[in-house]
Amino acid sequence: KAGVTQTPRYLIKTRGQQVTLSCSPISGHRSVSWYQQTPGQGLQFLFEYFSETQRNKGNFPGRFSGRQFSNSRSEMNVSTLELGDSALYLCASSLAAGANTGELFFGEGSRLTVL
Amino acid sequence: QQQVKQSPQSLIVQKGGISIINCAYENTAFDYFPWYQQFPGKGPALLIAIRPDVSEKKEGRFTISFNKSAKQFSLHIMDSQPGDSATYFCAAWLSYGGATNKLIFGTGTLLAVQP
Repeated sequence: KAGVTQTPRYLIKTRGQQVTLSCSPISGHRSVSWYQQTPGQGLQFLFEYFSETQRNKGNFPGRFSGRQFSNSRSEMNVSTLELGDSALYLCASSLAAGANTGELFFGEGSRLTVL
Repeated sequence: QQQVKQSPQSLIVQKGGISIINCAYENTAFDYFPWYQQFPGKGPALLIAIRPDVSEKKEGRFTISFNKSAKQFSLHIMDSQPGDSATYFCAAWLSYGGATNKLIFGTGTLLAVQP
């Protein structure tokens, strides 16, 4: 069974640009969450989607947005990039709403560098 | 308060020793407490998890101890091996009664097991 796939794995952008990251969850998983990982802040929750609906959102500015498609694939977008947006962006999938098993399956992440 | 406090930030243990990582939380709405292990270049992966109605859970060399009244939980790695060298994250699951899946992560502990 294929795991969570994130693309691209690495990318470099300059300040002011925008970026779109993609995530394909494990087959059958309908919940997709996004996390930002930085050395100083650890793993910070961005948002979660289930059945194309955003169910929860973390404390990030409106420049961070996402969406989920009918096949459960998800994208996140960051507009007007800032230096502080440099991070590893992790996507995680889980089976369904209320799975409540504590288990998220993470991809290997997209490493974003903003110059 | 949706925070999970984790310590120490880094830990060096000799092969065969015991590694202990501690976490504390304040929000009593958390209802599941997983630990994730992350190797360089990889996404976090679920290691072991516990529910608040259980005081201890053991899986092989890994044990979670949970103190509900103190709102603290810890990970013990017995007979630590160089292959255990990784970053460990405690987390707390906020399920909102099943309506969503949101993990709050601790800041991580970088464990190095010396041969």
